[in-house]
Amino acid sequence: KQEVTQIPAALSVPEGENLVLNCSFTDSAIYNLQWFRQDPGKGLTSLLLIQSSQREQTSGRLNASLDKSSGRSTLYIAASQPGDSATYLCAVRGSQGNLIFGKGTKLSVKP
Amino acid sequence: NAGVTQTPKFQVLKTGQSMTLQCAQDMNHNSMYWYRQDPGMGLRLIYYSASEGTTDKGEVPNGYNVSRLNKREFSLRLESAAPSQTSVYFCASSHGREQPQHFGDGTRLSIL
Repeated sequence: KQEVTQIPAALSVPEGENLVLNCSFTDSAIYNLQWFRQDPGKGLTSLLLIQSSQREQTSGRLNASLDKSSGRSTLYIAASQPGDSATYLCAVRGSQGNLIFGKGTKLSVKP
Repeated sequence: NAGVTQTPKFQVLKTGQSMTLQCAQDMNHNSMYWYRQDPGMGLRLIYYSASEGTTDKGEVPNGYNVSRLNKREFSLRLESAAPSQTSVYFCASSHGREQPQHFGDGTRLSIL
């Protein structure tokens, strides 16, 4: 059974710092991996999608990497801002098409 | 620019009552999903519909039923609500397995 783990569970950084969020998964047979952002009391916003054949994807200040063989993905956020404060969720796509989620990393960026 | 729309946004039920959560998407996606989100448990799949006319169980289907009414709409029904079903329910859709899933804003359901 696929399991997804996100470390750390919470992270607090000063504004302007570059940071890395980690995601690991136990079964490398995935179709793709998706990173989401969730603000308190809100839904999930898709940030990046990496296909199993890709190594990384970039969108603005965000860069996500995927190492399928080792079961790891990282989300790199450059020059963090207070508006980046949210919970970041990693999810892998299984054979049925559904997503299997980690429990998230709660990020706080302090001014 | 609606995307995935869920109704209602909030609901309080008494144990034993029934209710249907509605979900509609306007992106012409083939696949639709229902998840629940609980503190400490993350998001878990309840049911999904890979295409119009098909539905399948996910990780936590007990106590729920679904209907894929047409390509746009996918509803989730609680026949006899229990306190353990207190949760935030999210509907999602995607065009296919290689495409990203898009989520609605959620339904916050409390069962007393």
